[in-house]
Amino acid sequence: KQEVTQIPAALSVPEGENLVLNCSFTDSAIYNLQWFRQDPGKGLTSLLLIQSSQREQTSGRLNASLDKSSGRSTLYIAASQPGDSATYLCAVCSGNTGKLIFGQGTTLQVKP
Amino acid sequence: EAQVTQNPRYLITVTGKKLTVTCSQNMNHEYMSWYRQDPGLGLRQIYYSMNVEVTDKGDVPEGYKVSRKEKRNFPLILESPSPNQTSLYFCASSPGPGDEQYFGPGTRLTVT
Repeated sequence: KQEVTQIPAALSVPEGENLVLNCSFTDSAIYNLQWFRQDPGKGLTSLLLIQSSQREQTSGRLNASLDKSSGRSTLYIAASQPGDSATYLCAVCSGNTGKLIFGQGTTLQVKP
Repeated sequence: EAQVTQNPRYLITVTGKKLTVTCSQNMNHEYMSWYRQDPGLGLRQIYYSMNVEVTDKGDVPEGYKVSRKEKRNFPLILESPSPNQTSLYFCASSPGPGDEQYFGPGTRLTVT
């Protein structure tokens, strides 16, 4: 059974820092891995999708990497800003049903 | 604007009173699904649909029904809601089950 873990559960950093959020999964047989952002009281915003054949994806200040063999993904945020404060969720798609298995999330606070 | 919409956004109801949460997408996506989000349990899939008239159970389908009569709509039906269905519900869609998934804004349901 696929399990997804995100560490740390919470993170507080000063504005301008580069930071890394971690995601690990137990079964390396995945279709893809997706990173989302969730703001309080709002929906999930897709940030990056990495297909199983890819090693990384970049969008602006965000870079996500995938190492299937070790069951790990990282989300790198460069030059963090207060507007980056949110909960970041990692989700793995393991089967052909499209079901996403989510981690518990990392709540990020970027202080001005 | 490409989006997934849900209605209502907030709903307070009483035990046993049938309700429907609507979900609609304007991206011509074939794949749609429903998740619920609970503290400590994260997001879990309720039902999914590969295409019109094709639906199947996710991890927590008990107490829910769905239908997919049109490609754009995927309503979630609670025929006899109970307090343990109090949750935050999300609808999602994607071109196919292995593609990037887009989530709606969420429906916060309280059953008393």
